[in-house]
Amino acid sequence: EEQLVESGGGLVKPGESLRLSCEVSGITFTNVWMSWVRQAPGKGLEWVGRIKSKGDGGTTDYAAPVKGRFTISRDDSKNTMYLQMNSLKTEDTAVYHCTTEPGSYFGYWGLGTLLTVSS
Amino acid sequence: DIQMTQSPSSVSASVGDTVTITCRASQGIANWLAWYQRKPGKAPKVLIYSASSLQSEVPSRFSGSGFGTDFTLTISSLQPEDFATYYCQQANSLPWTFGQGTKVEIK
Repeated sequence: EEQLVESGGGLVKPGESLRLSCEVSGITFTNVWMSWVRQAPGKGLEWVGRIKSKGDGGTTDYAAPVKGRFTISRDDSKNTMYLQMNSLKTEDTAVYHCTTEPGSYFGYWGLGTLLTVSS
Repeated sequence: DIQMTQSPSSVSASVGDTVTITCRASQGIANWLAWYQRKPGKAPKVLIYSASSLQSEVPSRFSGSGFGTDFTLTISSLQPEDFATYYCQQANSLPWTFGQGTKVEIK
């Protein structure tokens, strides 16, 4: 069974850093493009960024609000994707979901992990 | 960025009804559109991709149509488990963007 499990969320202050993880099982992780999508309280879904499979170059793309502050990486030996978030802002408060990206849409999703940025 | 506008923002319906949700893109996106269902406390679930292709194991009462800028999601014979929020997403060009969501509520 395909499963994506996010972890690492919590309460941080503005300007601080945090790293989220997404552990994947039941899928051939090596071949999969992965994305992060977030949902702020009372708001809709927002794409954060993605990482391609290493076979497709392993490159990353980011949404404008997080570019330069967030970094996505992957460790195929651990079936895990990461989201390193620096210089956090209150507007980054959201539930962060990891997803697979089989073809410009989002296939499997995790339940998400909550990040709260507040002083 | 491509803006996605959904309507209505909410709809009240009864079990057995047919519900139609529309999504309009700010520029042409061919058939690069997906639809998702979101229930509280659950992960979002893809229903439709490429505007009209039904994701595996999604009931056939869900259908999608459209091309270019105007798209629809139709839920025929609404079931109790279909009360949720639905989002469209354009898959034509980065950044991927979503509509603001349509909440389907029990009448």
